[in-house]
Amino acid sequence: DAKTTQPNSMESNEEEPVHLPCNHSTISGTDYIHWYRQLPSQGPEYVIHGLTSNVNNRMASLAIAEDRKSSTLILHRATLRDAAVYYCILRVLDTGGFKTIFGAGTRLFVKA
Amino acid sequence: EAGVTQFPSHSVIEKGQTVTLRCDPISGHDNLYWYRRVMGKEIKFLLHFVKESKQDESGMPNNRFLAERTGGTYSTLKVQPAELEDSGVYFCASSQPGQGNTGELFFGEGSRLTVL
Repeated sequence: DAKTTQPNSMESNEEEPVHLPCNHSTISGTDYIHWYRQLPSQGPEYVIHGLTSNVNNRMASLAIAEDRKSSTLILHRATLRDAAVYYCILRVLDTGGFKTIFGAGTRLFVKA
Repeated sequence: EAGVTQFPSHSVIEKGQTVTLRCDPISGHDNLYWYRRVMGKEIKFLLHFVKESKQDESGMPNNRFLAERTGGTYSTLKVQPAELEDSGVYFCASSQPGQGNTGELFFGEGSRLTVL
């Protein structure tokens, strides 16, 4: 099964960039890389996704390695509201349809 | 527009009892998913509905779990009889039709189940 590996936790200072790494060495050619985050007492929420090329949106940037075995979520300026668990996820095509495979997540602490 | 709503937010039951969790997806979202996270573990897929049909139920742990989505609107997940290891947070998510593995999933806040 495809899986992702992330550090358990990371810490950042407010207003500084944050780079959240993820390894997904077993990724297949059609698997998409998604990132979600979970704020306290809420369900996961979408952040960004990509296949091969780097992606930018209003929330973050996603840098995908050329061999696609790893990716990095970049928060350009961390705020206190960005403190959350960030999940690196693979969306894979399986026999039953598209599956979402969660990693363990990285808990991001943001210091004022 | 209302998001995905789940009820109850927290349920505490005795081992052997029955609990039914409900999920109301975003209107128009044909895809509905159930996930759960048990203590200390990763969020795991349970099953996927497309409208009222079960597209994939490979993640359902055993036959004590029954999911339904009559009429293709809201869904229920019943656990009968509940066991201690069923404790955890059950998440529901929905997505628009036809987006494959690029579509954004919209999650509810989850239903926390505690089995004593």
